[in-house]
Amino acid sequence: DQQVKQNSPSLSVQEGRISILNCDYTNSMFDYFLWYKKYPAEGPTFLISISSIKDKNEDGRFTVFLNKSAKHLSLHIVPSQPGDSAVYFCAASPVFSSGSARQLTFGSGTQLTVLP
Amino acid sequence: DAGVTQSPTHLIKTRGQQVTLRCSPKSGHDTVSWYQQALGQGPQFIFQYYEEEERQRGNFPDRFSGHQFPNYSSELNVNALLLGDSALYLCASSGTGGSYEQYFGPGTRLTVT
Repeated sequence: DQQVKQNSPSLSVQEGRISILNCDYTNSMFDYFLWYKKYPAEGPTFLISISSIKDKNEDGRFTVFLNKSAKHLSLHIVPSQPGDSAVYFCAASPVFSSGSARQLTFGSGTQLTVLP
Repeated sequence: DAGVTQSPTHLIKTRGQQVTLRCSPKSGHDTVSWYQQALGQGPQFIFQYYEEEERQRGNFPDRFSGHQFPNYSSELNVNALLLGDSALYLCASSGTGGSYEQYFGPGTRLTVT
């Protein structure tokens, strides 16, 4: 049972345009959400996160939106750059996860390709 | 400042054997989590160590065990290897202080034949 779903395995976007990556979740106990970026032969790198008490969080070119009623979040990258080409993972953490190191449930990832 | 390091980079084992993977956390971090990433999938949480004890565990059998040392480094042990254990094993470290950010190492690619 996949609790975090990324239904688009791949996405191609022209340089300078907006990239929108989507993620759906089913577990109502999730209260913290993160996006990670992964290049080949490297571990995932933290990008941006959002708490369930918010509906938007911005960090430079990256914005994450959370729609709790729809159990949906999205990552917007504006403007997209060729260096953004990577696999993007959505992750969620349950409210009962203790301490600073939360147990993360990941989606299967979306391969973003930004074309020059 | 060294990030999270893992060894070895690649490993080939035979079904039924045992394997030990190692992880050194980022400087200043005291918590280590282990994840398994199968091909085409996202990382799946195995367990987490803090103060040399297993604190949280995902849905993995007892064949998967771990250890954390006083210097915060950690080992992941897998007994009675199955073909399905072939995956990338990722270690992530984090520190106390309220940040939920976890820093991942590059992983160990385990192939079971």
